Amino acid sequence: KQEVTQIPAALSVPEGENLVLNCSFTDSAIYNLQWFRQDPGKGLTSLLLIQSSQREQTSGRLNASLDKSSGRSTLYIAASQPGDSATYLCAVQRGSQGNLIFGKGTKLSVKP
Amino acid sequence: NAGVTQTPKFQVLKTGQSMTLQCAQDMNHEYMSWYRQDPGMGLRLIHYSVGAGITDQGEVPNGYNVSRSTTEDFPLRLLSAAPSQTSVYFCASTRTSPGGEQFFGPGTRLTVL
Repeated sequence: KQEVTQIPAALSVPEGENLVLNCSFTDSAIYNLQWFRQDPGKGLTSLLLIQSSQREQTSGRLNASLDKSSGRSTLYIAASQPGDSATYLCAVQRGSQGNLIFGKGTKLSVKP
Repeated sequence: NAGVTQTPKFQVLKTGQSMTLQCAQDMNHEYMSWYRQDPGMGLRLIHYSVGAGITDQGEVPNGYNVSRSTTEDFPLRLLSAAPSQTSVYFCASTRTSPGGEQFFGPGTRLTVL
């Protein structure tokens, strides 16, 4: 059974720091992996999608990497800002249908 | 594009009442799904659909019904609400081939008393 783990559960950093969020999954047979951001009381906003054949994706200050063989993905946030404060969720898609398995998230707080 | 829309945003029910959570998307996506999000449990899949007329169960389907008569709409029905169904419900959609980015609605916060 596929399990997705995100460590740490919570993270507090000063503004301007570069940081890494971790996601691990137990079954390397994934279709793709997606990182989301969730603000309190809000829905999920897609940040980056990495297909199983890709190693990384970049969008602005965000860079996500994928190592299928080791069952790991990282989300790198450069020059963090208070506006980056949110919960970050990692989800893997097992097959072509679309069903996602989520980690429980990392709650990030960036202090001014 | 409105993306994925959900109504209502908030709902309070009494035990035993029924209701339908609405979900619609305007991106012509084949795949639609419903998740519930609970503290400490993360998001769990309730039901999903890979096209009009095709639905299947996810991880936590008990107490919920779905149907998919059009590509755009995927309603979630609670036939007899229970306090255990108090949760935040999210609808999502994506294209299926090739696997694409999933888009989520804003959620429905449901309380069952």
